[in-house]
Amino acid sequence: AQKVTQAQTEISVVEKEDVTLDCVYETRDTTYYLFWYKQPPSGELVFLIRRNSFDEQNEISGRYSWNFQKSTSSFNFTITASQVVDSAVYFCALSEARGNEKLTFGTGTRLTIIP
Amino acid sequence: DSGVTQTPKHLITATGQRVTLRCSPRSGDLSVYWYQQSLDQGLQFLIQYYNGEERAKGNILERFSAQQFPDLHSELNLSSLELGDSALYFCASSVGGTGGEKLFFGSGTQLSVL
Repeated sequence: AQKVTQAQTEISVVEKEDVTLDCVYETRDTTYYLFWYKQPPSGELVFLIRRNSFDEQNEISGRYSWNFQKSTSSFNFTITASQVVDSAVYFCALSEARGNEKLTFGTGTRLTIIP
Repeated sequence: DSGVTQTPKHLITATGQRVTLRCSPRSGDLSVYWYQQSLDQGLQFLIQYYNGEERAKGNILERFSAQQFPDLHSELNLSSLELGDSALYFCASSVGGTGGEKLFFGSGTQLSVL
């Protein structure tokens, strides 16, 4: 069975600080996909990134970066120079490549950026 | 705006009642998914349809049913409602649904069972 663990329930940082959100996953499959979604106060879920299990390159998109390490089954998300608009709940999710898109979500990390 | 439309945005009903949640996927997307978000269970996958046919089933109760129509919109029917069914129900869509695809989520239907 697959599982995603986000041990950090809530994080608060002062604006402009860097913050890292942790994600640890479990799966028996060799082919799988990892995702991060953002849920702002308005409630909708917004896609941030997708990685497949064969691509361990780190990725950077503006102030966002992701560190994927298969050796530790982790897919961590770092926000650099945080802004108030980054305040949201962030979900890590896992999908196994079995012909459907059943996403297993972590419990989420609520990030609050203090102005 | 994700392009996925869910109606209604809010629904308040009583225990024992039946409700229908509606979802219109993004133009061109063939797959529709339903997720439930509650405080105690988190985000749970309910069911997936691909081009009118059920493709995957998750933790969906027998009191719940769904279908995808020829125009690709989907409905989630919840019956014999209980207090514990109060949750935010999301619909999502994707192009194919074969694995690893990005999902586009609607803004959700907040269901309150009183």
